[in-house]
Amino acid sequence: GIQVEQSPPDLILQEGANSTLRCNFSDSVNNLQWFHQNPWGQLINLFYIPSGTKQNGRLSATTVATERYSSLYISSSQTTDSGVYFCAVVDNNDMRFGAGTRLTVKP
Amino acid sequence: GAGVSQTPSNKVTEKGKYVELRCDPISGHTALYWYRQSLGQGPEFLIYFQGTGAADDSGLPNDRFFAVRPEGSVSTLKIQRTERGDSAVYLCASSPGANNEQFFGPGTRLTVL
Repeated sequence: GIQVEQSPPDLILQEGANSTLRCNFSDSVNNLQWFHQNPWGQLINLFYIPSGTKQNGRLSATTVATERYSSLYISSSQTTDSGVYFCAVVDNNDMRFGAGTRLTVKP
Repeated sequence: GAGVSQTPSNKVTEKGKYVELRCDPISGHTALYWYRQSLGQGPEFLIYFQGTGAADDSGLPNDRFFAVRPEGSVSTLKIQRTERGDSAVYLCASSPGANNEQFFGPGTRLTVL
């Protein structure tokens, strides 16, 4: 099956800093999603982005399907951005998740 | 609420017991998925329903795990003869159809003592 690799595994930022999270996958995919898992475990949808670029407030994402990667960009980070960010791709019917990037934003 | 709901939120059981976990998908979503998340890892796929039928159950770890969706809406994940290794958060997701955006419930944290 498809392998999904996320980098970096851990990231510590000062409030106000910008960051880029990376997701690489090993084969072509039908769709790709980015999630933020909050400290209570809820997976919050950030982007549904099989290809192209989308922006939502301080967050933006780009997927280049032909190069098998996606990036999540967080600008002007806030402490509430802390948590684990997952990239997930659909391989046939099932969604395969990366191991996540744990982001800590310090005040 | 319009989101995916799961009950119970927490379940503690003893080794060898039977448990049922329930998922209520978003109204109108035909696709429903179950995942399992262990501590420090990403969710892992268990089973996918399209309507009432299990279209892909390749992620179920063994025959102690079974899931149903008899009317194409609510789904129940059933685990027989629970083992300590079954302890995890069980997540349910739904989507308008196959290969559409998936929306997740809050999960059921299962602890097997």
